[in-house]
Amino acid sequence: ELKVEQNPLFLSMQEGKNYTIYCNYSTTSDRLYWYRQDPGKSLESLFVLLSNGAVKQEGRLMASLDTKARLSTLHITAAVHDLSATYFCAVDKGNNDMRFGAGTRLTVKP
Amino acid sequence: DGGITQSPKYLFRKEGQNVTLSCEQNLNHDAMYWYRQDPGQGLRLIYYSQIVNDFQKGDIAEGYSVSREKKESFPLTVTSAQKNPTAFYLCASSQIPGQGGPLMIFGPGTRLTVL
Repeated sequence: ELKVEQNPLFLSMQEGKNYTIYCNYSTTSDRLYWYRQDPGKSLESLFVLLSNGAVKQEGRLMASLDTKARLSTLHITAAVHDLSATYFCAVDKGNNDMRFGAGTRLTVKP
Repeated sequence: DGGITQSPKYLFRKEGQNVTLSCEQNLNHDAMYWYRQDPGQGLRLIYYSQIVNDFQKGDIAEGYSVSREKKESFPLTVTSAQKNPTAFYLCASSQIPGQGGPLMIFGPGTRLTVL
């Protein structure tokens, strides 16, 4: 059974600092997704990573995928308050059967 | 604009009632999904469908039922057999891999409360 683990689950950081969120998964997959969720809202797609070594960047967020290590990272550079949200990774088991991590609740403090 | 709509946004159910949550997409996506999210938790898969007239159980299908009679629509019925249905329900759709991209898009969600 595919397990997707994120850590940390809670992250409080100062504005301007850098940090990394980790997503480990237990079985082979070469499709990994990152989503953002604001309180009370739906999920917004951030990144789609489709191959080993894939790296995507958007603003202060950068995601990477290492399929051999079964690990994806979401790196935050020079955090700002607007990045406060919950971030989810999701792994495709195959045939579009997706499994989500528990989420990382990020709070960026001034 | 293409997207996914869910209705209603808020739904209240009395114990013992069945209720149906609507999900419609105009993205021409083949695959559709239902997830449940409890407060402070991640998403758990209830059901998914890759093509019309076919669907598979996810991790927590008990007490739920679905149908996929049209490509655009994937309604979820929460039956009286679901003992703790209060949650946020998210519908999503995606294209089959190899047909233009696997991006999964989410609807705005339905918040169901049992009275």
